[in-house]
Amino acid sequence: QSVLTQPPSASGTPGQRVTISCSGSSSNIGSNYVYWYQQLPGTAPKLLIYRNNQRPSGVPDRFSGSKSGTSASLAISGLRSEDEADYYCAAWDDSLSAPWVFGGGTKLTVL
Amino acid sequence: QITLKESGPTLVKPTQTLTLTCTFSGFSLSTSGVGVGWIRQPPGKALEWLALIYWDDDKRYSPSLKSRLTITKDTSKNQVVLTMTNMDPVDTATYYCAHLHGSYHAFDIWGQGTMVTVSS
Repeated sequence: QSVLTQPPSASGTPGQRVTISCSGSSSNIGSNYVYWYQQLPGTAPKLLIYRNNQRPSGVPDRFSGSKSGTSASLAISGLRSEDEADYYCAAWDDSLSAPWVFGGGTKLTVL
Repeated sequence: QITLKESGPTLVKPTQTLTLTCTFSGFSLSTSGVGVGWIRQPPGKALEWLALIYWDDDKRYSPSLKSRLTITKDTSKNQVVLTMTNMDPVDTATYYCAHLHGSYHAFDIWGQGTMVTVSS
């Protein structure tokens, strides 16, 4: 059972906009930044979003992040087949659960 | 360019101790704010954060695994070592080490991962 809650799956068609949610608590998302990772099949995770809504260099602006209260979302616009991957949210946690926590991951399928 | 690479045994027996080494380049673990962490992923399952060591030798562990984990660094060799005692088949996973960005305060660059199987 992950500390951050994500839907197990999401899907969309090419060109569509999809969003993936991440729910936490006051000790993690509610009081710290949210981060998003993309994990393509058979590869290591890649940082997509840091500090709620910032993109590292090289990440397309099709990817955007937002946060409100104890929840966060990752939006992908102009969906492409190469976006099919697992997506994980993460945050620092101020409680004893763990300093750094991940969501359970969302598998995005491009139909 | 920052790179990290994990190394260690691919197969360990139950009750044995696992020792993994992360060898990195492109940054110094003596730079303020920087860290190296370990994260694992059982086959088909989610990521699980294990441990983190900062430039100043501050160490953090997953509370659920704290009694079994030890993380150390050798700044001169650009290496971070993770040991996990009393291995069990449920510890079978791909183990990743990752660079903690000093400003982002996130794991921004990851190693390729190393698969460890626990079986007799």
